[in-house]
Amino acid sequence: EAEVAQSPRYKITEKSQAVAFWCDPISGHATLYWYRQILGQGPELLVQFQDESVVDDSQLPKDRFSAERLKGVDSTLKIQPAELGDSAMYLCASSLEETGVPEQYFGPGTRLTVT
Amino acid sequence: DAKTTQPPSMDCAEGRAANLPCNHSTISGNEYVYWYRQIHSQGPQYIIHGLKNNETNEMASLIITEDRKSSTLILPHATLRDTAVYYCIVRVPVYGQNFVFGPGTRLSVLP
Repeated sequence: EAEVAQSPRYKITEKSQAVAFWCDPISGHATLYWYRQILGQGPELLVQFQDESVVDDSQLPKDRFSAERLKGVDSTLKIQPAELGDSAMYLCASSLEETGVPEQYFGPGTRLTVT
Repeated sequence: DAKTTQPPSMDCAEGRAANLPCNHSTISGNEYVYWYRQIHSQGPQYIIHGLKNNETNEMASLIITEDRKSSTLILPHATLRDTAVYYCIVRVPVYGQNFVFGPGTRLSVLP
């Protein structure tokens, strides 16, 4: 069964350092999402791509976060500089919007700890 | 903000049916009800979705009230592996619409 891949699974970094996360969606899924999940809360959308274009990044803290999907396939989320409050699980998901009632498929996530 | 309300936690005995309620009193006519679950330290997993008719798949059943203001996810024979946070989401199946997650219901299946 096809899955969304993410790496690394765990990352520990010091505040003010740069950190990057990678996501490879299910093959053929044009829509890709990055979520942030703080412990005890539901996932919160950071950015949504359709192919290589950003559809929604209204909740992305653009002073320190950036996201790209250059070839419309895999994607990278970067934080620079990291802050203590960025400690969270970062989830990537993909969907096939053309199905009409799409389901999102999530990767295992990257757990970030900022010290 | 999430358009749904769920109890923060529930317990269920192993082997019994788990009935998880969700209130979505402001749902609009073209919004679907989706259910996801998230087992500890994993990404959310899709369970089921529906518009107005009851739905069943190999994982669960979804019962939507006639006025569509609430729904219930039913796990017919809960196992310990069903212990997870369950999220109820309403969403219009329109390109570009994202899924808005609330805090969900933490289901504990007890031996």
